[in-house]
Amino acid sequence: SQQGEEDPQALSIQEGENATMNCSYKTSINNLQWYRQNSGRGLVHLILIRSNEREKHSGRLRVTLDTSKKSSSLLITASRAADTASYFCATEEAGGTSYGKLTFGQGTILTVHP
Amino acid sequence: GAVVSQHPSRVICKSGTSVKIECRSLDFQATTMFWYRQFPKKSLMLMATSNEGSKATYEQGVEKDKFLINHASLTLSTLTVTSAHPEDSSFYICSANTHLTSGRYLYFGPGTRLTVT
Repeated sequence: SQQGEEDPQALSIQEGENATMNCSYKTSINNLQWYRQNSGRGLVHLILIRSNEREKHSGRLRVTLDTSKKSSSLLITASRAADTASYFCATEEAGGTSYGKLTFGQGTILTVHP
Repeated sequence: GAVVSQHPSRVICKSGTSVKIECRSLDFQATTMFWYRQFPKKSLMLMATSNEGSKATYEQGVEKDKFLINHASLTLSTLTVTSAHPEDSSFYICSANTHLTSGRYLYFGPGTRLTVT
């Protein structure tokens, strides 16, 4: 079954505001990753957080992971129009036999208005 | 940095024909490659795991006779959509992993948009 459900499905904000997206999953994981995808394009890896980590920062991105709740959040601070894209979380299941085998969430479509 | 390429980037084919999509790791050897498909405005769904020199492992619900995967070398995996139908129209994305002394890495290709008319 598809795990990695994200909310909101769509988020519309003004430039300069913060954007928060959430992701929930169902199984035990090795890590959780966030990706960005511009319309009709490939994936861009944003950040990876391991199961033993609780928070990670990269530039304007902040990711949290709560393994007890099986959830993660991605915060983009001071958003820009160029941040407009779809954002996906993806999990690598613990105990899996294939490193890199990911289960993707449904994604959040973020629109940042200038 | 490491790059994964896909060819073609876009393809339009007629219903009933077969289409081959290539996924190449350009500067590293990929022990495993993964194939995903993505419908418009939807998420990526894993189709199969491709290991060099062995048969691909398909996810539940994916027809292995329809989506033929060949991983003949450590730098190339191919996905052939046989007897394509309009419902096969989708965005196909591959990823490749490698294990270096510095760690394990995963890279995604840019995707191939298939349109079946």
